[in-house]
Amino acid sequence: AQTVTQSQPEMSVQEAETVTLSCTYDTSESDYYLFWYKQPPSRQMILVIRQEAYKQQNATENRFSVNFQKAAKSFSLKISDSQLGDAAMYFCACRRTGTASKLTFGTGTRLQVTL
Amino acid sequence: DTGVSQNPRHKITKRGQNVTFRCDPISEHNRLYWYRQTLGQGPEFLTYFQNEAQLEKSRLLSDRFSAERPKGSFSTLEIQRTEQGDSAMYLCASSLVSGMTGELFFGEGSRLTVL
Repeated sequence: AQTVTQSQPEMSVQEAETVTLSCTYDTSESDYYLFWYKQPPSRQMILVIRQEAYKQQNATENRFSVNFQKAAKSFSLKISDSQLGDAAMYFCACRRTGTASKLTFGTGTRLQVTL
Repeated sequence: DTGVSQNPRHKITKRGQNVTFRCDPISEHNRLYWYRQTLGQGPEFLTYFQNEAQLEKSRLLSDRFSAERPKGSFSTLEIQRTEQGDSAMYLCASSLVSGMTGELFFGEGSRLTVL
């Protein structure tokens, strides 16, 4: 089983600034995926970025990047040049590879973007 | 629209009534998941199907809950004798078994309010 912890219920960032959302996880699996999902108000959850645990290189997607520290079981999300459209709930999630493919989510971080 | 579709989007019911939600996954996706999300929490896994087979059920899925995917396409989630504690957003997601990325694609959810 996996557990995912997000210790920041809310974060705020000014437009164009950088913000980092924290996530720690626990799993007994040696091979797994980590994800950050974004859930805008009243809209569907969408994938922001994904990291395969066997890859040492941190994933990046445009303004979004992660800091994956496997030994520390830490998986933080950095949003650069924040935009108003980045305001949403952000969920960190973990999934082991193989046939048992359910995602385990953290409790989420609400990100506010201010002018 | 080729995304995951859920109906109804909102359902208000009285305690003790039965409700049913429907999910239409992305057409080529053979895995389908149900999650429950309460206010301020991350999604919690309920159950998932591979084609028409229900492969895993969470302990959260009491005997009042039943899910089906009769032809391996759409799925229904029925809640019998609803209780106020069932009030939540019910999320459906789909994915490909062969998809190595592990990404789940979510619908917009069905919000249940039990009075």
